[in-house]
Amino acid sequence: KAGVTQTPRYLIKTRGQQVTLSCSPISGHRSVSWYQQTPGQGLQFLFEYFSETQRNKGNFPGRFSGRQFSNSRSEMNVSTLELGDSALYLCASQGLAGAQYEQFFGPGTRLTVL
Amino acid sequence: AQKVTQAQTEISVVEKEDVTLDCVYETRDTTYYLFWYKQPPSGELVFLIRRNSFDEQNEISGRYSWNFQKSTSSFNFTITASQVVDSAVYFCALIQNAGGTSYGKLTFGQGTILTVHP
Repeated sequence: KAGVTQTPRYLIKTRGQQVTLSCSPISGHRSVSWYQQTPGQGLQFLFEYFSETQRNKGNFPGRFSGRQFSNSRSEMNVSTLELGDSALYLCASQGLAGAQYEQFFGPGTRLTVL
Repeated sequence: AQKVTQAQTEISVVEKEDVTLDCVYETRDTTYYLFWYKQPPSGELVFLIRRNSFDEQNEISGRYSWNFQKSTSSFNFTITASQVVDSAVYFCALIQNAGGTSYGKLTFGQGTILTVHP
């Protein structure tokens, strides 16, 4: 089975722009979660989607949004980029519906905001 | 609220040494799940183990072993006879039971950078 894929792998944007990141989960997985990883804050949960519905959301401003499509692929969008949004954005998929099961991560998208 | 603490920021060992990575957690739930992930330089988090709060049995998988002690809220990870390929950042994580605010929400520790020198 192919793993979680994320595109693009690297992205450079300037302040004020917006960006869309894409995540394709492992085939058959319906849950997709997003995390932001920075040196200062570590790994922080952004949101989780299951069957096109957002089931959970972390403590991020409304500039961060996401969605999930019927094929379970997910996108996250960040509008009005700030320098502090520079980070590695990781997507993870989960094969079972319960919260307790392991998540499988993609390689991440490294976003640099200039 | 839950919290995971990995007090060791960086550990450096020489190949073949044993090394233990510490993880201490806080949660008010009686049912929860603990995980260890490895993050090599490529960036992808690799799942290593999951343990539920009702199962305190220690686990061994090859050179890896895990010691879960509810009495001290710890879930430590030991690598025996370390190898250069073990060099990575290791994360301990926690998720509470049930749905609602738990879905997808892994709470991670700050990570421990392990460097194994030849």
